[in-house]
Amino acid sequence: NAGVTQTPKFQVLKTGQSMTLQCAQDMNHNSMYWYRQDPGMGLRLIYYSASEGTTDKGEVPNGYNVSRLNKREFSLRLESAAPSQTSVYFCATNLEWGLYDEQFFGPGTRLTVL
Amino acid sequence: SQQGEEDPQALSIQEGENATMNCSYKTSINNLQWYRQNSGRGLVHLILIRSNEREKHSGRLRVTLDTSKKSSSLLITASRAADTASYFCATASGGSYIPTFGRGTSLIVHP
Repeated sequence: NAGVTQTPKFQVLKTGQSMTLQCAQDMNHNSMYWYRQDPGMGLRLIYYSASEGTTDKGEVPNGYNVSRLNKREFSLRLESAAPSQTSVYFCATNLEWGLYDEQFFGPGTRLTVL
Repeated sequence: SQQGEEDPQALSIQEGENATMNCSYKTSINNLQWYRQNSGRGLVHLILIRSNEREKHSGRLRVTLDTSKKSSSLLITASRAADTASYFCATASGGSYIPTFGRGTSLIVHP
C-alpha cells in the first residue's frame, strides 16, 4: 500500500500562474487535510474535508480552493499563484472525523512562486 | 495560530544521550500528539496521549502530560544518529477535532 501520495514533488511557478496539487490515499480514510509548512511557522491548515462530499476552510484558506473528488482524492488549487504561496504543502488523512486519532502525511510538494 | 509551543527550538546532543523536549499549550485539550519529521519528508506520528493519561511509552520514547501545567514532554532515551529530525507536538482542544501544530524542536544527534 502506498499510503498517502502527492504529486508533483516539486514545482516552480511564475506569479499569476495556476496549478493543482494532487493527493491520493489508499487507506480508506474518511478525512483529508491540506497544510502548508513555512520555515519557523510549523504547519498551518489550509482546508480540510471531514468526509467525502464536504470541505471546509482552515486557518489560511485565502488564495486556495479544494475539491474532494472522491473518497481517495483531495486536490488543492492555486488559481493565481503569488510569491507568498511559496511553501511546502502536505496532504494528511485520518480514519474518521471526530476520533482524535493520528494523522498520516504524504511526502509533500515543494512549491516556489517567482 | 499555534496552540502548542515546543521548547527548546533546537537541541544538539551526542549519540547515547537522552533528549528531552517540551510542549506547552494554552487551553484545555482532548489529546496531545507528537510527530517526527525527517529533513525533506512528511510528518510521522509517534505517540498520542489523551487528557486523562499522564504517561505513555513506546519503545525508546516516553511522553508525559501534566494538564495542571498545560505541558507535555517527550523523552528519547539512548538517542541515535537516526533520531536526528524535527519533533512537533499537536493538540486538539475544545470542540475541534483538528490538531494544531507547534513550530517544532530541531534535534541533532551527533555520532
